[in-house]
Amino acid sequence: AAGVIQSPRHLIKEKRETATLKCYPIPRHDTVYWYQQGPGQDPQFLISFYEKMQSDKGSIPDRFSAQQFSDYHSELNMSSLELGDSALYFCASSPRTSGTHEQYFGPGTRLTVT
Amino acid sequence: AQTVTQSQPEMSVQEAETVTLSCTYDTSESDYYLFWYKQPPSRQMILVIRQEAYKQQNATENRFSVNFQKAAKSFSLKISDSQLGDAAMYFCASILQGAQKLVFGQGTRLTINP
Repeated sequence: AAGVIQSPRHLIKEKRETATLKCYPIPRHDTVYWYQQGPGQDPQFLISFYEKMQSDKGSIPDRFSAQQFSDYHSELNMSSLELGDSALYFCASSPRTSGTHEQYFGPGTRLTVT
Repeated sequence: AQTVTQSQPEMSVQEAETVTLSCTYDTSESDYYLFWYKQPPSRQMILVIRQEAYKQQNATENRFSVNFQKAAKSFSLKISDSQLGDAAMYFCASILQGAQKLVFGQGTRLTINP
């Protein structure tokens, strides 16, 4: 079965640079979620989108922005990167109408800021 | 606000034995969903089992079952016939009905001893 695709899988950036993470949801999934997992931490919700509209927002820094496109893929843009942004970034997807509230996670993008 | 607490940072079990991972949560809402996710060394987040709060019957998925005590706000995971491949970090998570944000516990690292 098709899974959530995230690219790149690994990314190394320097402080103050920008980064763009991409997420391709499971086919027919229209809702996308972004989570950040720091070293030794649990995943923290950043933001979610449904039908290209932001549907919820968590602890996402103002330096970060995200959007969902007409093909349902999503991009997380991160600017003025800081050392503390080094983390595993997960994208998850779900069908809005499923009713089960299950979220299916991608393999993650490991961002290292040096 | 939702909170999820896993009080066991680490657990270990002998292969083929049974182990129970604990989770407690707090919410003032009556409609919500609870999940256990497995994160093996690959860091992929894998959905193990789901429980709807309105269902009294405990969920079961093969060797994995839950003990859901709604009044006590407790949601433990039992793994029967433990296998080496069960070794991973296990996260308990909750989400409110109609919400987007999964709230995770701190995780329990499970080691399987051969």
